[in-house]
Amino acid sequence: EVQLLESGGGLVQPGGSLRLSCAASGFTFSSYVLNWVRQAPGKGLEWVSVISETGGTTYYADSVKGRFTISRDNSKNTLYLQMNSLRADDTAVYYCAKESSGIRSFDYWGQGTLVTVSS
Amino acid sequence: SYELTQPPSVSVSPGQTASITCSGDKLGTKYAWWYQQKAGQSPVMVIYQDTKRPSAIPERFSGSNSGNTATLTISGTQAMDEADYYCQVWERSTAVFGGGTKVTVL
Repeated sequence: EVQLLESGGGLVQPGGSLRLSCAASGFTFSSYVLNWVRQAPGKGLEWVSVISETGGTTYYADSVKGRFTISRDNSKNTLYLQMNSLRADDTAVYYCAKESSGIRSFDYWGQGTLVTVSS
Repeated sequence: SYELTQPPSVSVSPGQTASITCSGDKLGTKYAWWYQQKAGQSPVMVIYQDTKRPSAIPERFSGSNSGNTATLTISGTQAMDEADYYCQVWERSTAVFGGGTKVTVL
């Protein structure tokens, strides 16, 4: 059974940093593209970032480019999102999402971890 | 940047058909995905590549995409289909979501 378990969320002050983790199981981690998607309270889904199977290719939404860094450790079956220079509008539930091979569907999602940026 | 527009809400009576639209420039030239999110839950894919339905998704869910509009249709809507629905496309290696449509089953 595919499982994605996010952690690392919490309350952080504006300008601060946080690192999210997504521990994966139930599939061959190193064979799949992974994404972060976020959802502000009461708002819609917003794609954040994607990383290739090896970690060699990454893309970011304009809203986080230069502040967030996606990475993965295939030996630990874990996806990361390093978030720096956090702003109030980064407050959201952050989901990790696995892509299906070759189809680019988000076929599995984690339960999400809440990040609150506030003083 | 590419934008997708959805109506904020759609209301439907049980057993009737709900149609949720998603508009974008030349959307029909791209593949569209649809995700369902029930209150307090993570999203679930219900349609991929315009018209394909994952095996676990009921047959009453169908999709189409032509011109500037993709449409998710729920035939014989049930109370359990009440949820937010999001369309999504890939644009230059980045994913774009529509603003979401809340489907209310009255």
